[in-house]
Amino acid sequence: EAGVVQSPRYKIIEKKQPVAFWCNPISGHNTLYWYRQNLGQGPELLIRYENEEAVDDSQLPKDRFSAERLKGVDSTLKIQPAELGDSAVYLCASRSRTSRDEQFFGPGTRLTVL
Amino acid sequence: AQTVTQSQPEMSVQEAETVTLSCTYDTSESNYYLFWYKQPPSRQMILVIRQEAYKQQNATENRFSVNFQKAAKSFSLKISDSQLGDTAMYFCALYSGAGSYQLTFGKGTKLSVIP
Repeated sequence: EAGVVQSPRYKIIEKKQPVAFWCNPISGHNTLYWYRQNLGQGPELLIRYENEEAVDDSQLPKDRFSAERLKGVDSTLKIQPAELGDSAVYLCASRSRTSRDEQFFGPGTRLTVL
Repeated sequence: AQTVTQSQPEMSVQEAETVTLSCTYDTSESNYYLFWYKQPPSRQMILVIRQEAYKQQNATENRFSVNFQKAAKSFSLKISDSQLGDTAMYFCALYSGAGSYQLTFGKGTKLSVIP
């Protein structure tokens, strides 16, 4: 079984530029999470999807961040425009309906904003 | 709100020795799960061990075991016979399925296994 796939693995951009991250969850997993992990910190939730519906986006900075999960499978997280403080690792995770607790994580995208 | 505290930013252990990583947490939920995740330099978060709050017996997974003290809200990880491949960041995490459905992570402990 393939794991959670994320791309790109690394991204370097200048501030004020847009950037997008892509996540393909494990097949059949209906719940998808985006986390942000700042240097030296644990991951923090940005948004949670149940199928195609964003059910918890309270911690997503909506002025510059947006996300979508069309057809309830792949998801894209976008930042426009990026700021220096957005430099972090962006992790995607997924969970199946039958697994009450375990989340499976992708390798993350390391974003550097110059 | 849920909180998870890891008070040891860094630790080191000699290969083949035993090390214990500490974690305390706070939640108002009665039904919750606790986890230890390992994050090597590759950044992939790997589940090491889980504990259901309603279970009194401490979880074990091969060389990894936990000491779960529910009243004290403490959840420590013991790694026996440490191996070089255990070198990584270790995160304690709390999951409550009652409403939040999210993992709350501590800040992590950087473990170095010394040959």
